[in-house]
Amino acid sequence: EAGVTQFPSHSVIEKGQTVTLRCDPISGHDNLYWYRRVMGKEIKFLLHFVKESKQDESGMPNNRFLAERTGGTYSTLKVQPAELEDSGVYFCASSQGGDSPLHFGNGTRLTVT
Amino acid sequence: GNSVTQMEGPVTLSEEAFLTINCTYTATGYPSLFWYVQYPGEGLQLLLKATKADDKGSNKGFEATYRKETTSFHLEKGSVQVSDSAVYFCALTLGSYIPTFGRGTSLIVHP
Repeated sequence: EAGVTQFPSHSVIEKGQTVTLRCDPISGHDNLYWYRRVMGKEIKFLLHFVKESKQDESGMPNNRFLAERTGGTYSTLKVQPAELEDSGVYFCASSQGGDSPLHFGNGTRLTVT
Repeated sequence: GNSVTQMEGPVTLSEEAFLTINCTYTATGYPSLFWYVQYPGEGLQLLLKATKADDKGSNKGFEATYRKETTSFHLEKGSVQVSDSAVYFCALTLGSYIPTFGRGTSLIVHP
């Protein structure tokens, strides 16, 4: 079975530009999560989808971040316009729900200059 | 709110040394506790978990015991290998099954 895949693996953009990150969860996993890790700090929860619905978006830092999961399959996370403090590694994870383990992608390293 | 505190890294050890990575938590209730591991160039993967007090999680020679009295879940391994070099994250869930993570502890094992 294919794991969680994220694209791109790295992105370097200038402040003010737009970036879209993509996550393809494991097939059949209704639950999809986005997390972010700023250098050396905690992995912070951003939001949680169940199928195409946002179950919890309490971790989204501000309205420059927009996450979608049309059709309940892959998800995108758009940052517009990007700021310097948005730099970090963005992780996506999926699960079957309940207390089943989360399966993480390799992350997208975003650098805003 | 809920939080997880891990010891600062990096932890640098020689092969076959004993490993302890400390983790303590704060939670309003009785969480489930987890250790995740991130090998270089890969995503996080679940290493072990414990769902109630005094439970011991174990996997790949790693162990951690859920200590309610000290709100701790320290990770241990009796003899580390170079291949154990990775970043280790302690995490908890409470109610919603969405993990709250610590900041990670980097482990470097030298031959």
